Amino acid sequence: NAGVTQTPKFRVLKTGQSMTLLCAQDMNHEYMYWYRQDPGMGLRLIHYSVGEGTTAKGEVPDGYNVSRLKKQNFLLGLESAAPSQTSVYFCASSDGTTITTDTQYFGPGTRLTVL
Amino acid sequence: KNEVEQSPQNLTAQEGEFITINCSYSVGISALHWLQQHPGGGIVSLFMLSSGKKKHGRLIATINIQEKHSSLHITASHPRDSAVYICAVRKGGSEKLVFGKGTKLTVNP
Repeated sequence: NAGVTQTPKFRVLKTGQSMTLLCAQDMNHEYMYWYRQDPGMGLRLIHYSVGEGTTAKGEVPDGYNVSRLKKQNFLLGLESAAPSQTSVYFCASSDGTTITTDTQYFGPGTRLTVL
Repeated sequence: KNEVEQSPQNLTAQEGEFITINCSYSVGISALHWLQQHPGGGIVSLFMLSSGKKKHGRLIATINIQEKHSSLHITASHPRDSAVYICAVRKGGSEKLVFGKGTKLTVNP
């Protein structure tokens, strides 16, 4: 099993460009999350999904959109990139939120630079 | 004030030392997670606990629900333990985790 994979691993964008980050998991997990990690700050939740076809806003959703058309994939879109979106983006998945299902599985991260 | 506070922010130890990393939180929780982020960036789950104590190899995690505090201990530390250790809590009934800022541990040979 590959676990959680993210595409791409690195990307450089110019201000105003758009892009989509892909997260894929092969564990049949219901919950998927997109986080950003910035120096000196903890992981911050951008958007999340509790199942196929559902999405919800997290702590820092502005400037991002998401879609979960298939259970195994969770896409994060930047419509018009800004330098403030320079960050490392992590995707994670879990099977639920109870003590027996809440183990978090993280992807390797995508390092995004917006010039 | 952050809902999850970790201390210390940075910790340097000599190989073989006993390490303690602390996590305090200010909200009611259903579970607390300890995660490890390797120097290469990957994040792995170490423990998830709602009460008591868990042990895996040289790592021990404890939680005191009444005091809203958890500790991660590493016995006989080794340079390969060098990483950022992250505490996260799931508030009761929430679908989201709240993360601490992490503790950077460096173990020197």
